[in-house]
Amino acid sequence: DQQVKQNSPSLSVQEGRISILNCDYTNSMFDYFLWYKKYPAEGPTFLISISSIKDKNEDGRFTVFLNKSAKHLSLHIVPSQPGDSAVYFCAARSGGAQKLVFGQGTRLTINP
Amino acid sequence: NAGVTQTPKFQVLKTGQSMTLQCAQDMNHEYMSWYRQDPGMGLRLIHYSVGAGITDQGEVPNGYNVSRSTTEDFPLRLLSAAPSQTSVYFCASSYSGVPDTQYFGPGTRLTVL
Repeated sequence: DQQVKQNSPSLSVQEGRISILNCDYTNSMFDYFLWYKKYPAEGPTFLISISSIKDKNEDGRFTVFLNKSAKHLSLHIVPSQPGDSAVYFCAARSGGAQKLVFGQGTRLTINP
Repeated sequence: NAGVTQTPKFQVLKTGQSMTLQCAQDMNHEYMSWYRQDPGMGLRLIHYSVGAGITDQGEVPNGYNVSRSTTEDFPLRLLSAAPSQTSVYFCASSYSGVPDTQYFGPGTRLTVL
């Protein structure tokens, strides 16, 4: 049972435009969410996170939105740059749980 | 700081062979974990540890053993390799007791024939 789902395997966006990556979850106990970015042949790197007490968190060009009623979060990248081309994973955990559950990942390609 | 290091980078095994994937971190992190990445499956947790001497199972622990004798090292052992264990393996560590801002190693690409 996939508790965290990223239904778009890939996304292509023009440079300078907004990239929106989506993630859905099924476990209502999840209360902390993260996004990781992964380049080929490298390990994932932490990008941004959000607690369930918030509905938005910003860090520079990156904003994560959380809709708890819909069990949905999204990552917005504005403006998109060529260096943003990577695979993006969303992840979630509940309370003080010591396990992260990851989604399948979305490959983002930024076209010049 | 070297961060999280993993060895080897690539490995080819025959079915039934055993091996150990090494993972070390020099950040004095208490939490360490092992994931495997397979196409279309994302990252799946194999085992994790919240400190020396403490380990627990993740989502896909079968066929793998771990131990944590020191804070720095967290080796992953494949007892009897199977083709289904062909994957890319990532080790990660976190300064907190929970796996939030984890630092990942570069990965080990394992092929089992």
